[in-house]
Amino acid sequence: EPEVTQTPSHQVTQMGQEVILRCVPISNHLYFYWYRQILGQKVEFLVSFYNNEISEKSEIFDDQFSVERPDGSNFTLKIRSTKLEDSAMYFCASSFSGGEETQYFGPGTRLLVL
Amino acid sequence: AQRVTQPEKLLSVFKGAPVELKCNYSYSGSPELFWYVQYSRQRLQLLLRHISRESIKGFTADLNKGETSFHLKKPFAQEEDSAMYYCALRANTDKLIFGTGTRLQVFP
Repeated sequence: EPEVTQTPSHQVTQMGQEVILRCVPISNHLYFYWYRQILGQKVEFLVSFYNNEISEKSEIFDDQFSVERPDGSNFTLKIRSTKLEDSAMYFCASSFSGGEETQYFGPGTRLLVL
Repeated sequence: AQRVTQPEKLLSVFKGAPVELKCNYSYSGSPELFWYVQYSRQRLQLLLRHISRESIKGFTADLNKGETSFHLKKPFAQEEDSAMYYCALRANTDKLIFGTGTRLQVFP
């Protein structure tokens, strides 16, 4: 069964550094999402992406964040200058279409900012 | 504001006991409600959704619009049901709004 994959599984970085989190959505899916979960808190929506553009973003998704689909398979989340409070588990998800379609989640990347 | 509330952080039961994981939501329109499950060291996966009205792994959930609830139930818990359970709401966009989750522990 196809799955969403994410790399790396863990990343440690220094405050102020740039990080890129990578995701490979399920191959025929067209809608892509990033969520994050700070330790002990709820899973929060960051951004949704369709047809090579952002379709929705949350208040968390400020100018430090960007997303890109650089080729036909990868979907990346970049944090330009990491802050301590960016430490969290970041989940990528994809769905075949929007609306009622199920979102399939990746295993997550645990980001630790020191 | 759109919000999902799961009042219990932890629910512990013995094998064979009934289970009810509570979920309440706040949304003025017609919501879509989901239950996602995360087993130890595994990814979030969809357990069930209210529009399907199906039973998965013995779990059911009924949307009660009057009480704005979508509680997850199973008549006889099994040890393999031990996991984190997240209730989620989809309102008028594609994003999912999650509750804080309930950890279910089923003891032998």
